Amino acid sequence: DVKVTQSSRYLVKRTGEKVFLECVQDMDHENMFWYRQDPGLGLRLIYFSYDVKMKEKGDIPEGYSVSREKKERFSLILESASTNQTSMYLCASSPGQGASSYEQYFGPGTRLTVT
Amino acid sequence: DQQVKQNSPSLSVQEGRISILNCDYTNSMFDYFLWYKKYPAEGPTFLISISSIKDKNEDGRFTVFLNKSAKHLSLHIVPSQPGDSAVYFCAAGGTGTASKLTFGTGTRLQVTL
Repeated sequence: DVKVTQSSRYLVKRTGEKVFLECVQDMDHENMFWYRQDPGLGLRLIYFSYDVKMKEKGDIPEGYSVSREKKERFSLILESASTNQTSMYLCASSPGQGASSYEQYFGPGTRLTVT
Repeated sequence: DQQVKQNSPSLSVQEGRISILNCDYTNSMFDYFLWYKKYPAEGPTFLISISSIKDKNEDGRFTVFLNKSAKHLSLHIVPSQPGDSAVYFCAAGGTGTASKLTFGTGTRLQVTL
């Protein structure tokens, strides 16, 4: 079974703090993704990566950065957390080729609250 | 600009009956469509998919129908069970999107006894 793990289930941070969210997958997937989920807005893509050290902006990259130094690990960084970044953050991975590359496997999510 | 739309935020169905969840899309470049199921405090899990070369795909109690001319897809669950109560997201991907998916806003399905 594909397993995607996220470093924390719940986080509470203060405005202005630097926040690191870690994601690890164990299926040797090339693609990794970071989303946020907000009520009424569905899942919105923040950043994704299709290879080590490669990254692409998603639909809402402002205020975020990412790092992928190893194939299995994809980190999301909030440089200076703000209250509007309070959300559920979801990491996902998928294989690199063919139709199965669309079948993303998700981690359990991190509920981040910025106060 | 919402390229994938789920216009019904919620749906309530009796156990044993059919649940029909709908999804519309606007981008004609989308050629692969998926449904995900999400329970509270868990990540979404992949349910079923369909490529644009088909108009139907079936997996047990779950069937997805695709109407390309109407840019519409639907998920049928027959028979519905209480364990199907969850939020369902449709998602779409296409040529040139580098395996990215665009998700709808979700429909909360409640299956009642």
